[in-house]
Amino acid sequence: AQRVTQPEKLLSVFKGAPVELKCNYSYSGSPELFWYVQYSRQRLQLLLRHISRESIKGFTADLNKGETSFHLKKPFAQEEDSAMYYCALSGGGSARQLTFGSGTQLTVLP
Amino acid sequence: DTAVSQTPKYLVTQMGNDKSIKCEQNLGHDTMYWYKQDSKKFLKIMFSYNNKELIINETVPNRFSPKSPDKAHLNLHINSLELGDSAVYFCASSRGGGARGETQYFGPGTRLLVL
Repeated sequence: AQRVTQPEKLLSVFKGAPVELKCNYSYSGSPELFWYVQYSRQRLQLLLRHISRESIKGFTADLNKGETSFHLKKPFAQEEDSAMYYCALSGGGSARQLTFGSGTQLTVLP
Repeated sequence: DTAVSQTPKYLVTQMGNDKSIKCEQNLGHDTMYWYKQDSKKFLKIMFSYNNKELIINETVPNRFSPKSPDKAHLNLHINSLELGDSAVYFCASSRGGGARGETQYFGPGTRLLVL
């Protein structure tokens, strides 16, 4: 069974401060990990995925298989980063459905 | 040129009624999904279709029946609505084909309220 845990439901930081949104997963095979974001009044959209090893909007996330984690980080938070962030896992195969964590609501304070 | 669209956006209905939510994607994708987001914002897969064929059916009551008339559409029909069905329902699509790191594109969601 696959499982994704986001321990923080709410996270507040000040503008310019570093931010880290935690994500841990449980999966027996080789997982694909994603971060999706939902800004206020907008639809859920992909932020980044581990296989791309990319930085989007200043965010990065590294897959740590030893710790089974995929934490999302940004060195200097901006007010426009305020949103709901979901960590998600895909187990592969033909199904490709996403198993989501419970989400973390990030608020960046001025 | 909306990629994934859903209708209606809001749906308020009485317990026991039957209702449908429609989803359409114009991305040429082969795979479509339905997710349910509960009041605590938790998102959970309900169904997945690939080229009009059901490939995932999670433990969803059989009052929920997805229908895919063609690969661009995946509609969700719900019989005998219950209070616990109140949620936001999201449709999504992806290219299909099993590529790693495949992106899913989400619709705007349909907020269902059962009274």
